[in-house]
Amino acid sequence: EVQLVESGGGLVQPGGSLRLSCAVSGFTFSTYWMSWVRQAPGKGLEWVANIKQDGSEIYYVDSVKGRFTISRDNAKNSLYLQMNSLRAEDTAVYYCARDIAPTVTTLLYWGQGTLVTVSS
Amino acid sequence: QSALTQPPSASGSPGQSVTISCTGTSNDVGRYKYVSWYQQHPGKAPKLMIYEVSKRPSGVPDRFSGSKSGNTASLTVSGLQAEDEADYYCCSYAGSNPYVFGTGTKVTVL
Repeated sequence: EVQLVESGGGLVQPGGSLRLSCAVSGFTFSTYWMSWVRQAPGKGLEWVANIKQDGSEIYYVDSVKGRFTISRDNAKNSLYLQMNSLRAEDTAVYYCARDIAPTVTTLLYWGQGTLVTVSS
Repeated sequence: QSALTQPPSASGSPGQSVTISCTGTSNDVGRYKYVSWYQQHPGKAPKLMIYEVSKRPSGVPDRFSGSKSGNTASLTVSGLQAEDEADYYCCSYAGSNPYVFGTGTKVTVL
């Protein structure tokens, strides 16, 4: 059974930092692109970043470029999102997600999400 | 990259059909066959219902179907059931900013 379990969310002050983790099981992690997607309270879904199987290609949505860093550790079957210089508008549930195939086309598996709240 | 446009709400009685549109541009929906649809119940993670415009993942009822014409994709839910009441999001592959989501549609079963 494929499982993705996020952790690391919480309350942080504006300008602060937080590191999210996503532990995966049930599939060969190193075979797939991985993404982070967020959803602000009461709002829609927004893709945040993704990373290639070996970490050689990384993409970000414009609003987080220079502040967020996606990374992965294939030996630990884990995906990470380092979030710096956090803003109120970064408040959201953050999901990690796996593509349906080894190429980037469709997000099939999602974790349950972890809530990040940026507030003073 | 702007969000794809969906109607905020749609509704139908049990047994009826409802169709949700998703309008993008020639850079996303109109260019690629990788249009997908997600169902999201309150407090839950999104669930993939349709991928590559019209394919259903294993376990998704055939009441759910998808199509695309030009820059607009559509999701049809036939034979509405109470458990279909949820938010639905379309999503399109869009190149280097790979995923652009729709604004979301709340489906109500009357």
